[in-house]
Amino acid sequence: GEDVEQSLFLSVREGDSSVINCTYTDSSSTYLYWYKQEPGAGLQLLTYIFSNMDMKQDQRLTVLLNKKDKHLSLRIADTQTGDSAIYFCAAGNDKIIFGKGTRLHILP
Amino acid sequence: GAVVSQHPSWVICKSGTSVKIECRSLDFQATTMFWYRQFPKQSLMLMATSNEGSKATYEQGVEKDKFLINHASLTLSTLTVTSAHPEDSSFYICSARVLTSGGTDTQYFGPGTRLTVL
Repeated sequence: GEDVEQSLFLSVREGDSSVINCTYTDSSSTYLYWYKQEPGAGLQLLTYIFSNMDMKQDQRLTVLLNKKDKHLSLRIADTQTGDSAIYFCAAGNDKIIFGKGTRLHILP
Repeated sequence: GAVVSQHPSWVICKSGTSVKIECRSLDFQATTMFWYRQFPKQSLMLMATSNEGSKATYEQGVEKDKFLINHASLTLSTLTVTSAHPEDSSFYICSARVLTSGGTDTQYFGPGTRLTVL
């Protein structure tokens, strides 16, 4: 079945770009998602990309998909303190499998 | 690592009946559990936040009388779909929030329950 892996921690200085990486195993996954979890809150969908796309940009967020390598990344430009959260990568079709989440820490 | 289980993993029921789904944290205590719903080929949607010993907080558009949530203990939250209809057919996922003594805040997901209402 699908397995989704991502690094657990990332520290970035305020104003720099953050890049969170994710790999998945099932090449038939049609939908790839990034979710954000702020402290004490449930997951909220941040952005998503279909497998037939290789890039999607939405304001400060850029999602890159390398389907050949089954690698997904989320870039946050001009990282702010409010971006401090856990970011979950997810992949699948009818059933979505989540990674364990990457904790983004913002350095002053 | 922390394990969250859900029971049942799949259920088929007749329209008009009620179905209870359990979410358990197996080796840790969770003061907060979340219930999500996933429609086929769509993203996960947060339904409600379940806090042990208090009423659940429902997201906008989620009927609290239809989706009853009970978080009776630190290891168990239940979601009851009352008077189920075919449009309630979906994949329901729970997660449990863990706050460690070191101050980290993370979330562990259950495997999900697939509900089919005939």
